Amino acid sequence: GEDVEQSLFLSVREGDSSVINCTYTDSSSTYLYWYKQEPGAGLQLLTYIFSNMDMKQDQRLTVLLNKKDKHLSLRIADTQTGDSAIYFCAEFPTEGSNTGKLIFGQGTTLQVKP
Amino acid sequence: GAVVSQHPSRVICKSGTSVKIECRSLDFQATTMFWYRQFPKQSLMLMATSNEGSKATYEQGVEKDKFLINHASLTLSTLTVTSAHPEDSSFYICSARGDGATQYFGPGTRLTVL
Repeated sequence: GEDVEQSLFLSVREGDSSVINCTYTDSSSTYLYWYKQEPGAGLQLLTYIFSNMDMKQDQRLTVLLNKKDKHLSLRIADTQTGDSAIYFCAEFPTEGSNTGKLIFGQGTTLQVKP
Repeated sequence: GAVVSQHPSRVICKSGTSVKIECRSLDFQATTMFWYRQFPKQSLMLMATSNEGSKATYEQGVEKDKFLINHASLTLSTLTVTSAHPEDSSFYICSARGDGATQYFGPGTRLTVL
């Protein structure tokens, strides 16, 4: 079945890099996503990676994908206090009962200390 | 681009009343819309998937007579919580998907039932 796992909490100092890790189970997932949720708000799409890619960089964000290990990471360079939020990893299965749906992890709360 | 709005952002109602929440894709046509529910400090729980012009598909355990979903056009889906009770109090988030795989999320609606 589909399952996405994330660590629940990460604390970093402003200016450091943050690395949020995620593991997923469905090898049919063609896209893997990172969303950001600030308190009381909806989910903001940060970035996504297609399953045939190993890495994607977008300004301060770098996504690494290890398809063999089904491991996804999001690195935020020069982390700012405005990056404090909950980060959700999600997979997009293309087979099975959850085809076409997003399967979310539990979310990682990123705390950035000044 | 890819903006999704929700209305209202916050609603307080008395037990037994019905509440309608609107979800609109503002700059793209959404062939599929999704409704999620989020409890405090938890991930998103998918309630139902709706395709324009057809009946919604509800997830297991979600009462379709309780949570009425209408997807009348390619830019609008509504969720009506009928005969609301305090246990229905939650944060409801919609998302919309166009031709691709990516879901874009609304800002959420905070429902409080007294």
